[in-house]
Amino acid sequence: AQKVTQAQTEISVVEKEDVTLDCVYETRDTTYYLFWYKQPPSGELVFLIRRNSFDEQNEISGRYSWNFQKSTSSFNFTITASQVVDSAVYFCALSEASNDYKLSFGAGTTVTVRA
Amino acid sequence: GAVVSQHPSWVICKSGTSVKIECRSLDFQATTMFWYRQFPKQSLMLMATSNEGSKATYEQGVEKDKFLINHASLTLSTLTVTSAHPEDSSFYICSARSRPTGELFFGEGSRLTVL
Repeated sequence: AQKVTQAQTEISVVEKEDVTLDCVYETRDTTYYLFWYKQPPSGELVFLIRRNSFDEQNEISGRYSWNFQKSTSSFNFTITASQVVDSAVYFCALSEASNDYKLSFGAGTTVTVRA
Repeated sequence: GAVVSQHPSWVICKSGTSVKIECRSLDFQATTMFWYRQFPKQSLMLMATSNEGSKATYEQGVEKDKFLINHASLTLSTLTVTSAHPEDSSFYICSARSRPTGELFFGEGSRLTVL
């Protein structure tokens, strides 16, 4: 069964628009971690955020913000005032205590920001 | 900051040859290293978990005789693709878990093309 679902395959926006990436996860663990990674065209994975299951506070880091809601098993990611450099594939991932904290990745969402 | 380095970044080889990819944690000791495979426009799939000094644990469906993993030290893990075939062409990414902090860091990835 898919543990992490990123329903949006591709999103295209014009520069300065906001874009929200959805992530829905599935786990029976009470202790788990959620991640967002960015993969630019060069291929490397860039860590964006890690959130543990006991911390539901939303977080803002510059133009990035995350909304964690356990009630809906969602961990959505918003880029405010998008820029061309934000164009990349974004992966949501889940790490569960019962699975030795291995990462299960979602399918990824390709974001294209047009100038 | 912590860096995980993969070498080579890209490699082209003939069908039937073996290819070794190295994953090094440059400024921290890694208790565990993970190897992922990513096909074009797809997500990352965990291949195996490598612990220093012990045999790697392979995910279901991954041929351990095909993908040899050696974790000889706390800073180095190697993945050898034996008798490579065109279907092995992929992007291979390693990650390393820091011994002191438990944080996870990803390498830049290695792109393998088998002709």
